[in-house]
Amino acid sequence: DAKTTQPPSMDCAEGRAANLPCNHSTISGNEYVYWYRQIHSQGPQYIIHGLKNNETNEMASLIITEDRKSSTLILPHATLRDTAVYYCIVGGSNYKLTFGKGTLLTVNP
Amino acid sequence: NAGVTQTPKFQVLKTGQSMTLQCAQDMNHEYMSWYRQDPGMGLRLIHYSVGAGITDQGEVPNGYNVSRSTTEDFPLRLLSAAPSQTSVYFCASSSPGAGSGYTFGSGTRLTVV
Repeated sequence: DAKTTQPPSMDCAEGRAANLPCNHSTISGNEYVYWYRQIHSQGPQYIIHGLKNNETNEMASLIITEDRKSSTLILPHATLRDTAVYYCIVGGSNYKLTFGKGTLLTVNP
Repeated sequence: NAGVTQTPKFQVLKTGQSMTLQCAQDMNHEYMSWYRQDPGMGLRLIHYSVGAGITDQGEVPNGYNVSRSTTEDFPLRLLSAAPSQTSVYFCASSSPGAGSGYTFGSGTRLTVV
């Protein structure tokens, strides 16, 4: 599976959009981009995934560049409860995901 | 619908003891996995299963055994606990296909002294 690079930490003001970047320059054609988050010491929570097209669900939007070498997770209106570690994962199957250290997003009041 | 249930939530073992971490899901998911998470680290895959009777090793399988006799259950066995196995263990399940995200349990905090 391709490796990903994420900033270790980011801050965001409550109510503003949080844009979390992820680089995955070695992604192959059949690999998906997955995003999970982990709040405090809870189990990770699935957010969204995509292959080529941009995706949106009730939690977030995923923007994937045309060359697929990077992506951005967007939380449109961040709240304090969105403070968490966000993991960007690239993989061809959803049963063998490799988690990195992720990005600690801190939403400030 | 309970999702993924892990027991126990906390456990303290002495070095050399054995134990089984239980994981059960009620979503009829074919895929199940075990991860461990050490302080300040991401999750590392221990073992995974793509269906009943089928298991395989992940990134850090040494010291752990698994079996999958039913779709619902995926227990993780520590044969002879070591302090290096002190960690938080997460079980997860999903359906086949990239369209399904993993559902994780709430974790088991294991301390080996």
